[in-house]
Amino acid sequence: KNQVEQSPQSLIILEGKNCTLQCNYTVSPFSNLRWYKQDTGRGPVSLTIMTFSENTKSNGRYTATLDADTKQSSLHITASQLSDSASYICVVSPVAFSGGYQKVTFGTGTKLQVIP
Amino acid sequence: DGGITQSPKYLFRKEGQNVTLSCEQNLNHDAMYWYRQDPGQGLRLIYYSQIVNDFQKGDIAEGYSVSREKKESFPLTVTSAQKNPTAFYLCASEPGQGYGYTFGSGTRLTVV
Repeated sequence: KNQVEQSPQSLIILEGKNCTLQCNYTVSPFSNLRWYKQDTGRGPVSLTIMTFSENTKSNGRYTATLDADTKQSSLHITASQLSDSASYICVVSPVAFSGGYQKVTFGTGTKLQVIP
Repeated sequence: DGGITQSPKYLFRKEGQNVTLSCEQNLNHDAMYWYRQDPGQGLRLIYYSQIVNDFQKGDIAEGYSVSREKKESFPLTVTSAQKNPTAFYLCASEPGQGYGYTFGSGTRLTVV
């Protein structure tokens, strides 16, 4: 069964500090992994997307890493800001074969709170 | 600007009533999806459509119905058969399977 597990469930950090969120997956065959940021009461917004051959991708203060061998990804947030307070969701897609739909698997998210 | 629009933002349903959630996109995406989000759970797939005039059930389709008469539109109807409809509903689209979702801003449905 394809699964995506995220840790920690929640995290509180001081403004200006760094943090790292984890995502472990068992989706196979692997196609890509995406990190989304979801503000409370809003739809998720894409931060990064990585394929099998990519091991690091940055988007401003957000840096995602991928180890396809161990099936682990992390999202590192540098110099956190109050606006980083949100849920961060890891999403893994399997390879899509012609004519068929391959279901995307969502993690339950890490809720990050940045405090002054 | 291209995007995906969900309406209304908040919706209240009485017992036994059907309600329809709107989802419109101007991104020229072929694939569209409806997800349900409950606290502490990952998004769960209700219905998806990979092309106009075709749609398929997801994991939790019971009590829901959809149509895909136009490429831009993928409305979701929550019927009276859905016994626990209170949730946050998200519509998403992508150019084709696996390219990456663009999500709408969501509709929060509450039973009153």
